[in-house]
Amino acid sequence: EMQLVESGGGLVQPGGSLRLSCAASGFTFSVWWMTWVRQAPGKGLEWVANIKHDGSEKYYVDSVKGRFTISRDNTRELLYLQMNSLRAEDTAVYYCATVGHIVGVTAVRFDSWGQGTLVTVSS
Amino acid sequence: QSALTQPASVSGSPGQSITISCTGTSSDVGAYDYFSWYQQYPGNAPKLMIYDVTNRPSGVSNRFSGSRSGNTASLTISGLQAEDEADYYCSSYTSNNNHVVFGGGTKLAVL
Repeated sequence: EMQLVESGGGLVQPGGSLRLSCAASGFTFSVWWMTWVRQAPGKGLEWVANIKHDGSEKYYVDSVKGRFTISRDNTRELLYLQMNSLRAEDTAVYYCATVGHIVGVTAVRFDSWGQGTLVTVSS
Repeated sequence: QSALTQPASVSGSPGQSITISCTGTSSDVGAYDYFSWYQQYPGNAPKLMIYDVTNRPSGVSNRFSGSRSGNTASLTISGLQAEDEADYYCSSYTSNNNHVVFGGGTKLAVL
């Protein structure tokens, strides 16, 4: 059974940094594109970033470009999201998910999701 | 404001059928088959229910079905059950920025 478990969330001050992790198990992690999707409190979903199965391609929503970095360790079956220069508007539950379908470089379907980790940016 | 428009809430009684709409534009919902529906219980992760407009992943009840007309896609749940009470989100590929966009979500209440 596919399982994804996020960790690393917490309370951070504006301008601070945080690194999220997502531990994968139950499937061949190294062949899947992976993604991060976030959900602000009481709000809808927002795609954040994608990474190709081998880590050679990475794509971001405009609002996090230059601040967030997605990466992966296929040996340890881990997905990461390094978040720098955090803003209040980055406050959200961050989910990692497997990408079920890629169109060009766009992930258009998210098949399996973790339970999420809450990031709160506040002074 | 979300790129795709969903009603904030929908309700129905057990056994009834309900439909949740998701309206976009000719740059997203109306143009591509890369359209999905997700179910989310409070405090839980989203679950893929429908993909490519009409397809159900393995394990999803056939009470859930998807359709599209023009720039509006719909999720229909037949034989409504208490366990269907959840939030539902639509998503679509958009050629505006070659990203995926989501709707604002619809809260389904089973009365």
